[in-house]
Amino acid sequence: QKEVEQNSGPLSVPEGAIASLNCTYSDRGSQSFFWYRQYSGKSPELIMFIYSNGDKEDGRFTAQLNKASQYVSLLIRDSQPSDSATYLCALGGGGGGSYIPTFGRGTSLIVHP
Amino acid sequence: GAVVSQHPSWVICKSGTSVKIECRSLDFQATTMFWYRQFPKQSLMLMATSNEGSKATYEQGVEKDKFLINHASLTLSTLTVTSAHPEDSSFYICSARSSGRPTYNEQFFGPGTRLTVL
Repeated sequence: QKEVEQNSGPLSVPEGAIASLNCTYSDRGSQSFFWYRQYSGKSPELIMFIYSNGDKEDGRFTAQLNKASQYVSLLIRDSQPSDSATYLCALGGGGGGSYIPTFGRGTSLIVHP
Repeated sequence: GAVVSQHPSWVICKSGTSVKIECRSLDFQATTMFWYRQFPKQSLMLMATSNEGSKATYEQGVEKDKFLINHASLTLSTLTVTSAHPEDSSFYICSARSSGRPTYNEQFFGPGTRLTVL
């Protein structure tokens, strides 16, 4: 059973701060990892994916992956009120395309002015 | 690129009727599509995985005779909620995985369909 654990939150940070969202997973075979953002009443939107150990940066977002610790995180720098949403961590597989993705329950982020 | 549409975006129907939801990948071919259901303030629940040209694989607890899935082409999958009841009211979301991107298994989500059964 593949499991993805996320703290449901809410995580509350002031505007301009760094928001740190964490995710742990049980399946050592997972090779790709995704972060989705979901606004209330909307469908998830892909923010980033990462598959190599280390950091991957895209604008204000940085994904961090540590396969040995089975841990993936998302940092949001200079947080804005518009970043307030639920952030979903998801696992994918490697090549082949047959992997069924596994989602965490999501962490609610609130950025207050 | 990688745009997924859903139609309708919302629907209200009477109990006992059937509702069909379409999911289309607009600018890529999707060999695999997924159907999710999400109740208010709850997490995504995978209902079924649909591969083009073959029968859908349903998750445990999801009635295949109630939630009919057809994936007839590489750009279209449909979910039909048969004999809908108020407890079927939910947010239904499809996603598509591009056949051109098997390595990372990225999914692209449609905007969702909000179903209300009276």
